[in-house]
Amino acid sequence: SQQGEEDPQALSIQEGENATMNCSYKTSINNLQWYRQNSGRGLVHLILIRSNEREKHSGRLRVTLDTSKKSSSLLITASRAADTASYFCATDDNQGGKLIFGQGTELSVKP
Amino acid sequence: NAGVTQTPKFQVLKTGQSMTLQCAQDMNHEYMSWYRQDPGMGLRLIHYSVGAGITDQGEVPNGYNVSRSTTEDFPLRLLSAAPSQTSVYFCASSPLQRGRDQPQHFGDGTRLSIL
Repeated sequence: SQQGEEDPQALSIQEGENATMNCSYKTSINNLQWYRQNSGRGLVHLILIRSNEREKHSGRLRVTLDTSKKSSSLLITASRAADTASYFCATDDNQGGKLIFGQGTELSVKP
Repeated sequence: NAGVTQTPKFQVLKTGQSMTLQCAQDMNHEYMSWYRQDPGMGLRLIHYSVGAGITDQGEVPNGYNVSRSTTEDFPLRLLSAAPSQTSVYFCASSPLQRGRDQPQHFGDGTRLSIL
């Protein structure tokens, strides 16, 4: 079964608005990562947050992690049409062997 | 650096045929993995390897074989293709340091259709 579950499955916003995507997971983790996938391409790493961190920033990206609720959120501020893509969270299985991805959130940013 | 290279980019097979999807990385990464991506299912882990000579199963290993004879290469073999294996396959790699706290580098995928 999937370790990470993203919500919503699809999100449509206007350029300039903020986009928030959520990820929930089931077991304890060492870290959680967010990836982006443009149509027809491979995934690209965006940001990693460790289990002892609560918030992390990278440019227009803000990631939070709540280990008590087993959830994370990715906020993209001041979105652009070029942010249109699918976004995935990924968690390790705390045993060092596997990285498990969620089903993704499809973000559409309209100009 | 080329990063992670997957070949072929597209392939059409008939049911029962076998083939090998190639994956090569030039970053000296120890960890390599194969995923399949299906609509509505996200990415599912097929097999992974933490170094040359070491492989292990992921979530959906049935019907696939892997081997890791070198650090650079991690081929995925379909033994007898079935229509259910129609998917987009991604290979990924990362350094193996302190567990899974390294970003994964992905190839651009192989789009496989089984008729």
